[in-house]
Amino acid sequence: QKEVEQDPGPLSVPEGAIVSLNCTYSNSAFQYFMWYRQYSRKGPELLMYTYSSGNKEDGRFTAQVDKSSKYISLFIRDSQPSDSATYLCAIFQGGSEKLVFGKGTKLTVNP
Amino acid sequence: NAGVTQTPKFQVLKTGQSMTLQCAQDMNHNSMYWYRQDPGMGLRLIYYSASEGTTDKGEVPNGYNVSRLNKREFSLRLESAAPSQTSVYFCASSEQGAGSPLHFGNGTRLTVT
Repeated sequence: QKEVEQDPGPLSVPEGAIVSLNCTYSNSAFQYFMWYRQYSRKGPELLMYTYSSGNKEDGRFTAQVDKSSKYISLFIRDSQPSDSATYLCAIFQGGSEKLVFGKGTKLTVNP
Repeated sequence: NAGVTQTPKFQVLKTGQSMTLQCAQDMNHNSMYWYRQDPGMGLRLIYYSASEGTTDKGEVPNGYNVSRLNKREFSLRLESAAPSQTSVYFCASSEQGAGSPLHFGNGTRLTVT
């Protein structure tokens, strides 16, 4: 079983839609949870970072962590064409230098 | 503020040639990383350096060597390039390693023919 599983999509939605992106993980020692956004031909950039169960909101973005189910989500409200990118979940194991990435979900928001 | 700078941006090598990918960060971060990104495989860790003077293997270290030249710079060397090393290579840095978010450069696109 992969340490972090992420549906690669692709996902195509109309402008203004609510987008839900998800990852599951297998190791209960994972403690720090991140979402990165990667535009074409660019490096990943940090979007959201959390280390506890529950929700964290930043503008149109909400990161949700459910440690009991080993499930993390990223919600994008009022999606915009500029949100079109690949979204990667990433998780640190507690005390480890190793950041494990999901394979990424490619999102297209159509005007 | 440049963040993480990678050079070169593009490179084409013939099988068996060698090259060094350069990475520098200006955020005074302690930890630095090299990843490769391939279609369908996601980001995979090649090597990392938790602090100046230390390096450790990641998930896919074979065929690569690294040097942590100083706190700012972390280079990745391919001694004898193979077509399987065709990939996009990303360097990243973080403030203190475990639990600290990584900041990425914009990558080096390498093709080995």
